Amino acid sequence: DAGVTQSPTHLIKTRGQQVTLRCSPKSGHDTVSWYQQALGQGPQFIFQYYEEEERQRGNFPDRFSGHQFPNYSSELNVNALLLGDSALYLCASSAWDTQYFGPGTRLTVL
Amino acid sequence: DAKTTQPPSMDCAEGRAANLPCNHSTISGNEYVYWYRQIHSQGPQYIIHGLKNNETNEMASLIITEDRKSSTLILPHATLRDTAVYYCIVRVGQGGSEKLVFGKGTKLTVNP
Repeated sequence: DAGVTQSPTHLIKTRGQQVTLRCSPKSGHDTVSWYQQALGQGPQFIFQYYEEEERQRGNFPDRFSGHQFPNYSSELNVNALLLGDSALYLCASSAWDTQYFGPGTRLTVL
Repeated sequence: DAKTTQPPSMDCAEGRAANLPCNHSTISGNEYVYWYRQIHSQGPQYIIHGLKNNETNEMASLIITEDRKSSTLILPHATLRDTAVYYCIVRVGQGGSEKLVFGKGTKLTVNP
């Protein structure tokens, strides 16, 4: 049984560009949450998707958007990248209880 | 803001028990205590969770005080691979909406 997978592993972008990160949940999980982790900090909640709708959102600007597909996989999109968007982006999936995290995507904005 | 307080760092000798404390004095009656750990630059790994009773699994034991205002994660025989940042989290949200609020965690270093 594959766990949560994320792609790509690493990504380098320049300021002003747009990026799309992808997440496939564990088998049987229908909820996907996204987190941003800056260097030296704990993960910060971005938003959560369930039944293809954004169910809850953290304190992140509208430049951060997402999508969930019928197969429960999800994308995180970030527009107009800033240097401060450089971070580890984590996806977590869940059914009704415990969230399980993927390995993350390391985004570097130059 | 995180609803938990943890020491920033701890050390433990290999083979000894590691006891990681966590304070959550404002926890509500229906909130669970979750523990995750994060090895350098990897995704957080779920360890254990509990509501009132003590819990044990193949990774660790969780001891929750009777008033539920604090808990301790116990790694019974720490190894070098247990070196990581350990996060104690009180789960917020209702039903399936289970946002996790992370603090800064405890950096556990297991020494040979």
